[in-house]
Amino acid sequence: IAGITQAPTSQILAAGRRMTLRCTQDMRHNAMYWYRQDLGLGLRLIHYSNTAGTTGKGEVPDGYSVSRANTDDFPLTLASAVPSQTSVYFCASSDSAGDTGELFFGEGSRLTVL
Amino acid sequence: GQNIDQPTEMTATEGAIVQINCTYQTSGFNGLFWYQQHAGEAPTFLSYNVLDGLEEKGRFSSFLSRSKGYSYLLLKELQMKDSASYLCAVRDSNYQLIWGAGTKLIIKP
Repeated sequence: IAGITQAPTSQILAAGRRMTLRCTQDMRHNAMYWYRQDLGLGLRLIHYSNTAGTTGKGEVPDGYSVSRANTDDFPLTLASAVPSQTSVYFCASSDSAGDTGELFFGEGSRLTVL
Repeated sequence: GQNIDQPTEMTATEGAIVQINCTYQTSGFNGLFWYQQHAGEAPTFLSYNVLDGLEEKGRFSSFLSRSKGYSYLLLKELQMKDSASYLCAVRDSNYQLIWGAGTKLIIKP
């Protein structure tokens, strides 16, 4: 693995179901993020983690939870999915000690809630 | 509130030059980023500006004026593969990124 990996790539699930989107990075980046991307809107931050063991809420955290048990993994859980959570979800990481702190993105998880 | 504005869509011709503008109003400023996103793919980093002026990187250049809250991305010698969305993002005083909705660039032969 080189970079950041998300799974699943695509998922359709029924409203009310629980769903976890997985994210793993092998760059040893301390910061990780979950964004959702919807047509006509900018990327919106759901949750973030500046370092293993800590998490924080972003712009649109309701209905989502995250954990950061170690440096590499940052799963996003939808406890009870609703149709408004239909979106493309991107996980990203950054080395906050780097020159720019640029984000490296996973390939995205396309989620459809019916 | 915080706001990033960029045109929704632009069209240009292969081989030409195009300038994509971005204006911002944010709580503080700690750098401006441009990302490229091809349809169905992840965004990838293009450029970073934190001081006023022009940063050149091959066919792509990015300009920043902090006093005007303005940046542009300049793409030269356009190629068909440059057809993509271009995302402007500003890092605010809390070191959080505020994203524009993106500019879809269509390149015609």
